[in-house]
Formats: sequence, structure tokens, C-alpha cells
Amino acid sequence: RKEVEQDPGPFNVPEGATVAFNCTYSNSASQSFFWYRQDCRKEPKLLMSVYSSGNEDGRFTAQLNRASQYISLLIRDSKLSDSATYLCVVNGEGTGFQKLVFGTGTRLLVSP
Amino acid sequence: DADVTQTPRNRITKTGKRIMLECSQTKGHDRMYWYRQDPGLGLRLIYYSFDVKDINKGEISDGYSVSRQAQAKFSLSLESAIPNQTALYFCATSARLAVGDEQFFGPGTRLTVL
Repeated sequence: RKEVEQDPGPFNVPEGATVAFNCTYSNSASQSFFWYRQDCRKEPKLLMSVYSSGNEDGRFTAQLNRASQYISLLIRDSKLSDSATYLCVVNGEGTGFQKLVFGTGTRLLVSP
Repeated sequence: DADVTQTPRNRITKTGKRIMLECSQTKGHDRMYWYRQDPGLGLRLIYYSFDVKDINKGEISDGYSVSRQAQAKFSLSLESAIPNQTALYFCATSARLAVGDEQFFGPGTRLTVL
């Protein structure tokens, strides 16, 4: 089983739609969770961290479910500029340095 | 100006050649990382460094070596490039790895090994 699994998509949605992505992780000891955004052929950039209580940043809402070991990202009122690949990122196993494990990404395409 | 820069941005080379990818940062971060990204595999950690004297192997270090010349510079070398090292390579930095801290990525180097 992969450490971090995401549906690769693509998710095709019209402008204004609400879309949600899920991501599952295998390491129950993971403490840090993030969503990164990556535009085509560009570097990943942090979209938001994911906290146990859930958190919201404008049109974006992230949730963490530790019991089921998944995190989610909800995007409301989708914009054309939201078209990108969204990477689920979780800190991995080991003592000391906790390396980040990146999912393969979910591609979102928002159309007019 | 970009906080994390990588040179070159694109490189085509032949099997067996030695290649060096360079990374510089102006963020003042102690920690630096090298990743490669392949379609369908996500980003994988090659090497990481917590300071000039602390260099560690990541999950896929075979065939690669690194040098941390200064706090701001971290180079990745392919001693004898092979075609399956064709990938997009990213350098990243962070102040520390803890809840809420992020890694900042450079723009990437697209390497093709023929």
C-alpha cells in the first residue's frame, strides 16, 4: 500500500462548482498534513496546512480524519485559476527527521 | 527575485556524462533538500541536509551525490548519468520540519538523459 494515495483525476468542473478531493495515508503516527498546489511544469507551493480541528482559508477548506486516516480538500466557487494539480503531503515514519511523503496529485480542470 | 533558484533550468545530456545541478537560496534556511518528480510517482527525496556538515541520504540516493558548499548552496551530482534519471528535479528549503512549517521549492530543473 502506498504511504499516501490520491485519485489522480482529472476532475473536470465548471466555474462556480464545488469540488472535493480525498487523500488516504498509511502511517497512523503521522502528525503533519498539508495540501500543496502544483501548476503544470512548475514547483509545488503550499496551499494550506491541515489541522485536527479542520481549517478554512477563503474558498478552501481542509479536514483531517485521524480515525479513518484521510484528509480532504474542499474548493467552493471554483475559478479558472484553480486549475492545477493538488498534492496531498504527510510526514512519514522514523525518529528524528520526519520526511514528507508526497502523493502523486489530483488534477483539477475548471472550465468556463 | 526568487528565494530558491536552480541552475540549469533545462539540460539534455548523454548517458555516462557527469552532471551537476545547483541550488541557491536567500531565505536563510538551514535545511535543504533534493527531490525528483516522475509522472505517476510523485516527489521522491534524494538527499537532504540540515547544515553544512550534516548530509543524509533520502529514499532514492543511489547514483547521486551532493555537496553543501555553504548554508545557501546545495548541489546535486549525477556521476554517470543514465536514461532512467530523466526527471524533473526540485530543490527545497525549510527552516525546520514541524507542524505548520512548509518547504519552499525552487523552479525545478528538467533533465533529459539520452
